Amino acid sequence: AQSVTQLDSHVSVSEGTPVLLRCNYSSSYSPSLFWYVQHPNKGLQLLLKYTSAATLVKGINGFEAEFKKSETSFHLTKPSAHMSDAAEYFCVVRDSSNTGKLIFGQGTTLQVKP
Amino acid sequence: EADIYQTPRYLVIGTGKKITLECSQTMGHDKMYWYQQDPGMELHLIHYSYGVNSTEKGDLSSESTVSRIRTEHFPLTLESARPSHTSQYLCASSEWGLAGGNEQFFGPGTRLTVL
Repeated sequence: AQSVTQLDSHVSVSEGTPVLLRCNYSSSYSPSLFWYVQHPNKGLQLLLKYTSAATLVKGINGFEAEFKKSETSFHLTKPSAHMSDAAEYFCVVRDSSNTGKLIFGQGTTLQVKP
Repeated sequence: EADIYQTPRYLVIGTGKKITLECSQTMGHDKMYWYQQDPGMELHLIHYSYGVNSTEKGDLSSESTVSRIRTEHFPLTLESARPSHTSQYLCASSEWGLAGGNEQFFGPGTRLTVL
């Protein structure tokens, strides 16, 4: 069965400093991985997705993630945090069945300090 | 504009009431999903649909039911609400296909409180 583990429940950075949100996955096959962001009282928005093409994936708002099979990781990074990045971030793996359902990690709350 | 809508956004209701959470999408997607999210927690799939007249239960057991009479509409119903149903309910949709990258588009969610 597929699963994802987000290694940090809460990350705090200063504005302008790099962001690293860590995610490890478990899958018996080549997975499809996603990062979603959820701002307060808003729906989830897709940041980026990995689907076995390039291992370095660029997303919206300056975020990117690197798929590392040897480490079973898919960490999310951004060179310089902005106040508007403060939100909840979810690492997600797509289920291998044809349902297309998503399996969510526990979420990481990103706090950005001025 | 293609989008996915949920109403109401917030609902506070008493125990025993019947409620229906609405979800509509204008993207023509065949697949639709309902997730339940408790505060500060991850999302859990409770229902999904492959298309019209298709409904399936998800990973998390739920007392709610769903229907899919029209492609664009996927309402969720609780026949008798209880405090344990207090949660946020998120609706999503995606294109049909076996491609791994099919993105799910999420609605803004309905935050339900049962007193």
